[in-house]
Amino acid sequence: GAVVSQHPSRVICKSGTSVKIECRSLDFQATTMFWYRQFPKKSLMLMATSNEGSKATYEQGVEKDKFLINHASLTLSTLTVTSAHPEDSSFYICSARAREGGTDTQYFGPGTRLTVL
Amino acid sequence: AQTVTQSQPEMSVQEAETVTLSCTYDTSESNYYLFWYKQPPSRQMILVIRQEAYKQQNATENRFSVNFQKAAKSFSLKISDSQLGDTAMYFCAFTPGTTSGTYKYIFGTGTRLKVLA
Repeated sequence: GAVVSQHPSRVICKSGTSVKIECRSLDFQATTMFWYRQFPKKSLMLMATSNEGSKATYEQGVEKDKFLINHASLTLSTLTVTSAHPEDSSFYICSARAREGGTDTQYFGPGTRLTVL
Repeated sequence: AQTVTQSQPEMSVQEAETVTLSCTYDTSESNYYLFWYKQPPSRQMILVIRQEAYKQQNATENRFSVNFQKAAKSFSLKISDSQLGDTAMYFCAFTPGTTSGTYKYIFGTGTRLKVLA
């Protein structure tokens, strides 16, 4: 299967600082990537759809100025949490869309645990 | 609205036995894709199996198989010869496919499966 990496795996930052998370598709090109947030023992909540070369599409209720997404190449999307606050502490997961045998499948990164102090 | 329902929050099974996880969905689309993902304690989302709605044959992947009932909008996952490594949260996911122009997944709330030694 396709491999997606995510960096960093863990980050601790102070309130008010910005944090960037990278998502890379390692062995395939991804025109579309997705960013999710997951609370403990809960399902994944889609935050935004990241399209290469265009603006991200944010889900309702997600602040686009707080969660900046850039998809500058076919293998890299970044999520920047700006002016992070403790309520932004969460597990963030990215995925990349791959087309295999006529089926669109999302492959997921290993996630990033963000802790804001 | 498209929805995915997993009615079993938690399940357990003895090692080497068979267990079935249920998933129902609601959509007006005629073509779509369904997936089961596994999320072990590491929190890495792993694709278990996928099914294209226009294919009548149920998908199988080694010990994992699905019972896809399109008319009933049901997509259950059967795990045979359960192993301790199958202990994880299992998510059912739906995507309407490329004709709709969106590739977003709709996830169920998950079923936590514990395999007992």
